[in-house]
Amino acid sequence: AQKITQTQPGMFVQEKEAVTLDCTYDTSDPSYGLFWYKQPSSGEMIFLIYQGSYDQQNATEGRYSLNFQKARKSANLVISASQLGDSAMYFCAMREDNFGNEKLTFGTGTRLTIIP
Amino acid sequence: KAGVTQTPRYLIKTRGQQVTLSCSPISGHRSVSWYQQTPGQGLQFLFEYFSETQRNKGNFPGRFSGRQFSNSRSEMNVSTLELGDSALYLCASSQGQTGNTIYFGEGSWLTVV
Repeated sequence: AQKITQTQPGMFVQEKEAVTLDCTYDTSDPSYGLFWYKQPSSGEMIFLIYQGSYDQQNATEGRYSLNFQKARKSANLVISASQLGDSAMYFCAMREDNFGNEKLTFGTGTRLTIIP
Repeated sequence: KAGVTQTPRYLIKTRGQQVTLSCSPISGHRSVSWYQQTPGQGLQFLFEYFSETQRNKGNFPGRFSGRQFSNSRSEMNVSTLELGDSALYLCASSQGQTGNTIYFGEGSWLTVV
């Protein structure tokens, strides 16, 4: 069964510093996708970045990058130059890319707090 | 381009009542999925619809049901509400093909009293 593990329940980071949020996954499927979402207190789940299992390069989206280490089954999110608005819950999720499967399995999340 | 729209955003219901939540996906997206988020259980997959057909179902009782219309809009229904159904219900939208990005709406906060 697929599983996502986020071992950092909470993190405090100084503004403008870089942040790394950890995520490890487990799946027996060779084709899968990894997602990171940001969830502010309002509840909206905001898409940040996506990495496919066959992608050769690490995904990047503005200040977000995904450090994908396939052999170690890790997909850490890196936020460069953190901002106060980055304070939120962050979820790592995985989808096994079988035809017709849109189901995401989520980790328990990391609450990130940016300190001025 | 409009995002995923969920209504209502907040609602309070009494035990035993039923509730219907609505989700309009991003234009052109044919897949709609529903998730329940609670502090104790985290984010759990309810079901997914693609072109009006349920393709995938999570491990929830039959009180939870859904449907999708020809315009891809989806509704989920919870009958005979229990206190434990209090949660944030999130709708997700995608094109429904392998490798697509999945986008979420703002969620519907349900409180059962």
